[in-house]
This record gives sequence, structure tokens and C-alpha cells, in this order.
Amino acid sequence: DSGVTQTPKHLITATGQRVTLRCSPRSGDLSVYWYQQSLDQGLQFLIQYYNGEERAKGNILERFSAQQFPDLHSELNLSSLELGDSALYFCASSAHRGGYNEQFFGPGTRLTVL
Amino acid sequence: AQSVTQLGSHVSVSEGALVLLRCNYSSSVPPYLFWYVQYPNQGLQLLLKYTTGATLVKGINGFEAEFKKSETSFHLTKPSAHMSDAAEYFCAVSSAAGNKLTFGGGTRVLVKP
Repeated sequence: DSGVTQTPKHLITATGQRVTLRCSPRSGDLSVYWYQQSLDQGLQFLIQYYNGEERAKGNILERFSAQQFPDLHSELNLSSLELGDSALYFCASSAHRGGYNEQFFGPGTRLTVL
Repeated sequence: AQSVTQLGSHVSVSEGALVLLRCNYSSSVPPYLFWYVQYPNQGLQLLLKYTTGATLVKGINGFEAEFKKSETSFHLTKPSAHMSDAAEYFCAVSSAAGNKLTFGGGTRVLVKP
């Protein structure tokens, strides 16, 4: 158990819908990262938040957005869903306090768009 | 930009045989290098990491990897495969502490009895 929790574990929805994925980082970790794992694209970085502020952006679609709240949990919002958005979405967290900080991954949310 | 190439999307080894998973990276700055393992229906678990210092790094479950700057490689090995090693393995690179990870395509390991 990495200490990172993600809800829900599974999500099935239809095209055009909007969903929210939630991530709670390890206690004390300030950075949250979102990754997408799909058969087509493999594992790719979407976005990083540090202590409530966006820090880095990767291959995140405009239909997707994220935020980190004062209690440091994060949400990834996916809208106007398409079949190709079906994937496993991982959240990771790190302490991010100077030097090397390992990223700890949650169990993921499997999104299926029908 | 950084990139990672893992040679072989599938590797089959016999129980007790050497496991060798190949990883080559591209980075314009000194890299941080990682190997992660993913068991079915689970998240990613860190096996080992290279940040600075000793180029031969040892990880969990008997795995080790060697950072070779001249070859831009970070191959993962385990002397004797166990059935429990069946999983998917990902090599990743980061440009600095706390930054995003760039992953390779993954190598699925099958262990034959």
C-alpha cells in the first residue's frame, strides 16, 4: 500500500459525459501528479500540482482539467468524453522538499467510455 | 525533451534463469532513472532508482540495474527469475528531483516453470 488513494476504482460512462477522478496523496506530500495509461499511448504524464499550484503540464487535452485543494487532495476532471479516453488514470504523490523525492503511485482509476 | 526506449515488449524466461530487461534513454541533462513494476490490476511500484553516485543500484526483490552514461542505458537484471516476477516493467527518466516521469513502453515478463 503506497498510501496514495484514488476513487473510484472503476468508472463506466458514455461518450459526451463528464467525470471527476479523485486522489488523496500520502500524508504530508505536497506534489500530486496525474498519469494516463492506455494501450495506444502507454504511460504518459498529464499534469502536476505542487501545494495547490499547477507546476507542470504534459500531454493533457483541453477537455481535461485538474486542481489541488487546500487539503492537498486533487481532482482530475474529464469532460466531453470520447471512446479514446478509456484508460487507467494514475495519481502519484511526492514530498517535494528538496533533493530526490520518490513518486508513490495510487492503484489507479479505470475509466471505460462506451 | 526526454525519451525512453525499452527493447522488447514481451520477454519470456524460465524459472531460475537470468532476467534482462533493456532500457535506453535520451536526456539533455543528467538523468534520474527508475524501474517500476506493475502487477495485474495494480499500480506502479518502484523497484529501484538511480539519482547520483554509484552506478550499480540494487532494488527490491533481487533486482539491480547499472547506469551506463556512455551507452545511455539502464538495463534491469535479476540473476534468477521467480514465478512471482511475472509482471510488466517500466523504465522511466526524470530530469530533476520532483519532476515528471517519462516512461518507456513497458516490457511484459512471462516466467515459465
